[in-house]
Amino acid sequence: EAQVTQNPRYLITVTGKKLTVTCSQNMNHEYMSWYRQDPGLGLRQIYYSMNVEVTDKGDVPEGYKVSRKEKRNFPLILESPSPNQTSLYFCASSSQGGDTEAFFGQGTRLTVV
Amino acid sequence: AQTVTQSQPEMSVQEAETVTLSCTYDTSESDYYLFWYKQPPSRQMILVIRQEAYKQQNATENRFSVNFQKAAKSFSLKISDSQLGDAAMYFCAYRSVETSYDKVIFGPGTSLSVIP
Repeated sequence: EAQVTQNPRYLITVTGKKLTVTCSQNMNHEYMSWYRQDPGLGLRQIYYSMNVEVTDKGDVPEGYKVSRKEKRNFPLILESPSPNQTSLYFCASSSQGGDTEAFFGQGTRLTVV
Repeated sequence: AQTVTQSQPEMSVQEAETVTLSCTYDTSESDYYLFWYKQPPSRQMILVIRQEAYKQQNATENRFSVNFQKAAKSFSLKISDSQLGDAAMYFCAYRSVETSYDKVIFGPGTSLSVIP
């Protein structure tokens, strides 16, 4: 089954404790992105990757890191989480840009206390 | 920079009736892509419909259709014969055709309720 898998789905952590949210896709897609969803703001792009070892900042990259060492994986790293990073996070992948459909993971609800 | 606006935070519709969700955007690009995504309570993001800016014909997918007005930078979604399963958050999204980057801009969303 074609899918994007994020883990964990729920996470509660403390300020400053490094964490990683994993994302893996099995569709051989070149493009992958991370978004955060906040009420009244919709989804905002954090980082994106257009291929292995090619990543770039989206609209809200501060406080986040990503890496793309393999085509299928695109982890999101919070080196020192803060309460303002409490949000719902989505990973997405697509075969290329343009009008191709983006496939989204199930979302990760992160709470930083 | 591109922006996407959805001016209706919440909407409601009677079952079997028709509802239109509005979306406006701002861009200086002449070609781009527009999408409507649905997010039910399960949080899953589901593509509803897509439109390429240079195509004048409005896209349709079964009960879903769009009214794309390029000059007015408007991209509304019409849902006909509304069903209980249509209740969800709906997001309008803009994607550039530029190939050197992959920027996608989402609107703030419209929460649609369907009344039995």
